[in-house]
Amino acid sequence: DTGVSQNPRHKITKRGQNVTFRCDPISEHNRLYWYRQTLGQGPEFLTYFQNEAQLEKSRLLSDRFSAERPKGSFSTLEIQRTEQGDSAMYLCASSFGSHTGETQYFGPGTRLLVL
Amino acid sequence: AQSVTQLDSHVSVSEGTPVLLRCNYSSSYSPSLFWYVQHPNKGLQLLLKYTSAATLVKGINGFEAEFKKSETSFHLTKPSAHMSDAAEYFCVVSERGNRDDKIIFGKGTRLHILP
Repeated sequence: DTGVSQNPRHKITKRGQNVTFRCDPISEHNRLYWYRQTLGQGPEFLTYFQNEAQLEKSRLLSDRFSAERPKGSFSTLEIQRTEQGDSAMYLCASSFGSHTGETQYFGPGTRLLVL
Repeated sequence: AQSVTQLDSHVSVSEGTPVLLRCNYSSSYSPSLFWYVQHPNKGLQLLLKYTSAATLVKGINGFEAEFKKSETSFHLTKPSAHMSDAAEYFCVVSERGNRDDKIIFGKGTRLHILP
C-alpha cells in the first residue's frame, strides 16, 4: 500500500512527557500537512511543508509543538511537556502541487491520550 | 477571511431516500471546495472537489455537489442512501491568497441511515 502512513496509531502518555509522531507521505508528494482533530470537531490545520520548508504554522501550534521534515520526505511532530488538552487525533496528509487546492490524501491518524 | 459552515451536525435519512448535506462558505478569493468522508476508525477520504471548472461535481459512490456562487453554497447530495453511507462528512474550503494558502474544515455532519 503506497498511501500515507502514520506511527504510532495510538499513544498514551502522562502529562509532562514528550511525544513524537511520524508521518510518511505518498512518495512523490511534495506537500505535507499536519492537523489536529478533537471529538466532534473537524480537523484543524496545524502546519504544512513544501518539500523540507515549513511554510505556515497555525496559532494553534504553541511553542511546545515542533514539526520537521528534514529531507522533504517523512515528517515528525513533537509535543513537549504534554497537557491533557493535547489529547486528540493527529492527522497527516500529503499532496502534490503548489497550493492547497490540490487533493490531500490523509493517513489514518495517531490518537493521543494524555493522562 | 474564509470560513465554512455545515448547517446540520446530524442528518438522518431512511435507506433508499435522498441525502442532502448542507455547506455554506465564505471566501475572499476563488475557492477550491471539497467534501471528505470519515468512516469510524478510518482515515478521511475525498468524495469530490470543485476547482472552478464545472459547477456540478460528481464524486465517488454516487455523491455529487453543486457550487452556487450566488448562494455561497456547496451542498452534497445523493439520490438514494445506502447503509454504508453512514459516516461523518466534512466540507472543506481552500483558497490561495496573496501570501499564503488557507484550508479550513467544517465541523462535520454525521449522517445516519435508518433501515
